[in-house]
Amino acid sequence: SQQGEEDPQALSIQEGENATMNCSYKTSINNLQWYRQNSGRGLVHLILIRSNEREKHSGRLRVTLDTSKKSSSLLITASRAADTASYFCATDADTGGFKTIFGAGTRLFVKA
Amino acid sequence: NAGVTQTPKFQVLKTGQSMTLQCAQDMNHEYMSWYRQDPGMGLRLIHYSVGAGITDQGEVPNGYNVSRSTTEDFPLRLLSAAPSQTSVYFCASSYSAGLYEQYFGPGTRLTVT
Repeated sequence: SQQGEEDPQALSIQEGENATMNCSYKTSINNLQWYRQNSGRGLVHLILIRSNEREKHSGRLRVTLDTSKKSSSLLITASRAADTASYFCATDADTGGFKTIFGAGTRLFVKA
Repeated sequence: NAGVTQTPKFQVLKTGQSMTLQCAQDMNHEYMSWYRQDPGMGLRLIHYSVGAGITDQGEVPNGYNVSRSTTEDFPLRLLSAAPSQTSVYFCASSYSAGLYEQYFGPGTRLTVT
């Protein structure tokens, strides 16, 4: 079973536009993380937001978390062609944080 | 630091063969994990370890064994390969379980014919 579900599955935008990806999850969490995966590569951690935080920024990334709706969003501002990748949300699936559950991801394509 | 390394990068097996995927990290991380990624899907947790000598099952453990004799190494063994195990396998490590980012290896692409 997947804890996190991303929406949309795929997104195509022009360079310079903003990209928003959403993640919904099913059970209570301690934290939620976003990862990026370039084609054929391993995942790279982008940002972690704890359950008691509502918003977090890192460079051109902005993550929000709404625990009442069990959802999170990742906003990439002023997208670049190099942002083309798949983006995954990941949540802890148990209270000990031993198991991380990944969603199916959003494929972002940024056209130059 | 090399980070997380995985070998081999590619492997083709026949049904019924066994093999070991190697994973090593040089960051002195306590937590290590194995995932598989199938086309168009996210990662699914196979096994994880919270320290040397301690392992446990993830979402999809059947057909796989792990051991953790040292902090650095966390090999994944396929006991009797099946076509359903064709996938890309990623190893990851983090300082500890819970509120820490995971560092991923480059992956092993496995095909079982």
